[in-house]
Amino acid sequence: KNEVEQSPQNLTAQEGEFITINCSYSVGISALHWLQQHPGGGIVSLFMLSSGKKKHGRLIATINIQEKHSSLHITASHPRDSAVYICAVRSRPEGNYQLIWGAGTKLIIKP
Amino acid sequence: KAGVTQTPRYLIKTRGQQVTLSCSPISGHRSVSWYQQTPGQGLQFLFEYFSETQRNKGNFPGRFSGRQFSNSRSEMNVSTLELGDSALYLCASSLVDIDYNEQFFGPGTRLTVL
Repeated sequence: KNEVEQSPQNLTAQEGEFITINCSYSVGISALHWLQQHPGGGIVSLFMLSSGKKKHGRLIATINIQEKHSSLHITASHPRDSAVYICAVRSRPEGNYQLIWGAGTKLIIKP
Repeated sequence: KAGVTQTPRYLIKTRGQQVTLSCSPISGHRSVSWYQQTPGQGLQFLFEYFSETQRNKGNFPGRFSGRQFSNSRSEMNVSTLELGDSALYLCASSLVDIDYNEQFFGPGTRLTVL
């Protein structure tokens, strides 16, 4: 079992729909990232969370440390939101740094 | 403020050759991390440099090495290239401590090994 699991792997929705992408992890973490990767490779860091909730524009990220779960929400989705969304956790087991990545969720928003 | 820059953007090499990739972090950022992204393995952490010292290292063979200069620019070297080294290599910079500061990613260098 992977230490970071994302769901769904693929998501296709219509413009305007509310989108939720989930991330579950099994290790102790110091922080969790949500990143966006567009075709061509460029990665943009969307959020870094260690607790609670953050909002930026139409994007909302939440984390529940006790349940080891995070969600990324997109309100009023738009075709330009089409990208791969990646969850990554920072973990330091026994003092050795690890950055563990989920496999990504490919989101397609149709006009 | 200029973002993270990586050079070259594209590179084609043959098996057995060596390659050096360069990353210039955002001005003022002292931490530079390197990642490999392949379709089969996803994103994997290579190493992180801070103040010219390797601070953290992922699980990659010794053929992968790096260094950081006094101006925080970093280079990554891969010796004796293998076909499986074909990947997108991304670098990311952060202010000081990657545990508590956001990372900003460069556009990547796409390496193809023939």
